[in-house]
Amino acid sequence: GIQVEQSPPDLILQEGANSTLRCNFSDSVNNLQWFHQNPWGQLINLFYIPSGTKQNGRLSATTVATERYSLLYISSSQTTDSGVYFCAVGYGNNRLAFGKGNQVVVIP
Amino acid sequence: DAGVTQSPTHLIKTRGQHVTLRCSPISGHKSVSWYQQVLGQGPQFIFQYYEKEERGRGNFPDRFSARQFPNYSSELNVNALLLGDSALYLCASSARDSYNEQFFGPGTRLTVL
Repeated sequence: GIQVEQSPPDLILQEGANSTLRCNFSDSVNNLQWFHQNPWGQLINLFYIPSGTKQNGRLSATTVATERYSLLYISSSQTTDSGVYFCAVGYGNNRLAFGKGNQVVVIP
Repeated sequence: DAGVTQSPTHLIKTRGQHVTLRCSPISGHKSVSWYQQVLGQGPQFIFQYYEKEERGRGNFPDRFSARQFPNYSSELNVNALLLGDSALYLCASSARDSYNEQFFGPGTRLTVL
């Protein structure tokens, strides 16, 4: 099956710092989404980005489908950005394959 | 508009029992998918249903089954529960069969003792 690798697995940031999370995938995909999982387990949609670049406030994402990677940028990080970020790629019908996540901790 | 809803939120069962989890998709969405997330891992695909038909199945044993109803809500059933079935079960809905954004519910946390 399709492999999804996220890096770095763990990241500690000072509040106000910028960071980049990376997602590599092993095959062509028809969908790519970034999620933030809150402490209660809810997956919050950040971006639906099969290709190109999108921005939403302090977050932005870029997917280069031909090179099989996506990047999530967090600028001016805040403590509320803490949590686990998941990259998920779509294949087949509506199947999503998830990476293991990036655990982000933002300290004040 | 209401998002994806799941019930119950928490559940405790013992080994060998059976469990039924429920999901209601976003209004107008016809596709429902189920995922299992064990501690420390990303969610794993279990099933996808579209227009009441099974469209995909992940690498899970036959103890796992699901169905979708005419109103597009869905049930996930797990028989003969094992300790390893303890996990967060997530339901996702999307508007179409493929190539579109999925939205997740809050999950059902199942503990098997």
